Amino acid sequence: AQSVTQLGSHVSVSEGALVLLRCNYSSSVPPYLFWYVQYPNQGLQLLLKYTTGATLVKGINGFEAEFKKSETSFHLTKPSAHMSDAAEYFCAVFSGGYNKLIFGAGTRLAVHP
Amino acid sequence: ETGVTQTPRHLVMGMTNKKSLKCEQHLGHNAMYWYKQSAKKPLELMFVYSLEERVENNSVPSRFSPECPNSSHLFLHLHTLQPEDSALYLCASSQDRSDTQYFGPGTRLTVL
Repeated sequence: AQSVTQLGSHVSVSEGALVLLRCNYSSSVPPYLFWYVQYPNQGLQLLLKYTTGATLVKGINGFEAEFKKSETSFHLTKPSAHMSDAAEYFCAVFSGGYNKLIFGAGTRLAVHP
Repeated sequence: ETGVTQTPRHLVMGMTNKKSLKCEQHLGHNAMYWYKQSAKKPLELMFVYSLEERVENNSVPSRFSPECPNSSHLFLHLHTLQPEDSALYLCASSQDRSDTQYFGPGTRLTVL
């Protein structure tokens, strides 16, 4: 069965610091991987996705993620945090066997001055 | 309007009420979804419609009844809900089931 684990339900960084949100997945087939962001009282917005091809994926708002098959990871990074990045971030893997998107539990990012 | 819209954005209802949540997608997609998002729980997929046919029902209680009259509209009919049904209900759509899902802003439901 496919699953997603997000390490750290809460991450706090200073403005201007590196953001690193961790995501590990399990999948028996090549995965489709996604990061979504959710701002308060809003739905989920797609940040970036990996399907095939280049393993370093760039998304919106300066975020990027790297697919590492050997580590079964898809960590999300941003070189310099901004106050507006404070939100909840969800990693997800598309399960071809179950034909559905499997979400991690989410990581809440706080950015302090 | 563009993207996926949901109405109402907020809903408070008693346990004996009947209400409906509406979702509309303006993306020309063929698949639509209902998710439940509760505090401190992962997103729960409730229902999936593909080409207006329900293809998945994840053991959702019968007090939730979905309806998909056409490929652009999705409803969730609610009746005799329980307080534990209070949550954010998210609608999403995708071109097909393996494609990227795009989410609406959600309906915050409170059951008293």
